[in-house]
Amino acid sequence: GAVVSQHPSWVICKSGTSVKIECRSLDFQATTMFWYRQFPKQSLMLMATSNEGSKATYEQGVEKDKFLINHASLTLSTLTVTSAHPEDSSFYICSAEQAGDPGELFFGEGSRLTVL
Amino acid sequence: QKEVEQNSGPLSVPEGAIASLNCTYSDRVSQSFFWYRQYSGKSPELIMSIYSNGDKEDGRFTAQLNKASQYVSLLIRDSQPSDSATYLCAVGESQGNLIFGKGTKLSVKP
Repeated sequence: GAVVSQHPSWVICKSGTSVKIECRSLDFQATTMFWYRQFPKQSLMLMATSNEGSKATYEQGVEKDKFLINHASLTLSTLTVTSAHPEDSSFYICSAEQAGDPGELFFGEGSRLTVL
Repeated sequence: QKEVEQNSGPLSVPEGAIASLNCTYSDRVSQSFFWYRQYSGKSPELIMSIYSNGDKEDGRFTAQLNKASQYVSLLIRDSQPSDSATYLCAVGESQGNLIFGKGTKLSVKP
């Protein structure tokens, strides 16, 4: 199956700093990538839909100025958590849809963010 | 508000038994349905996708879809301890993203 790589797998940062998470589709082109957040014992919650070459579409309640998404190429999307606070500590997961398989998403390994 | 409902469990079955996981969804026009397995602390991995009413089998896994009842299920035959995980039901939206249920935790006892 298609491979999606996410980096870093975990990061610890101080409150107020910014953290960038990368999501790459390794063996296919992804015009659309999705960013999810998962709190402990909760399901995945969609944060935003990232479209190559255009602005991301954010879900209701997700601050676009806090969670900056850039999808500059067909294989890379980045999520930057700006001015992170402890309540932003979570498991962030990206996924990408392979062309020809609508709805079959392939997930990155996830990035666990801990804000002190 | 589109919803995907799952029993949170835990569902406990003995090794070798059949595990049955159920999911209902609210959006009657949904066309694509998925089951993901998520081990603790890990990212979800796709197990099955199903688009048409009826059964779809892949190895020990069988997905069942009934659009009239807005119900999708996953059967795991000959359950193994390595199947112990949280199983997420997901329903596709027209924009391409998925709405996930909260997951059912499955525990297979040796």
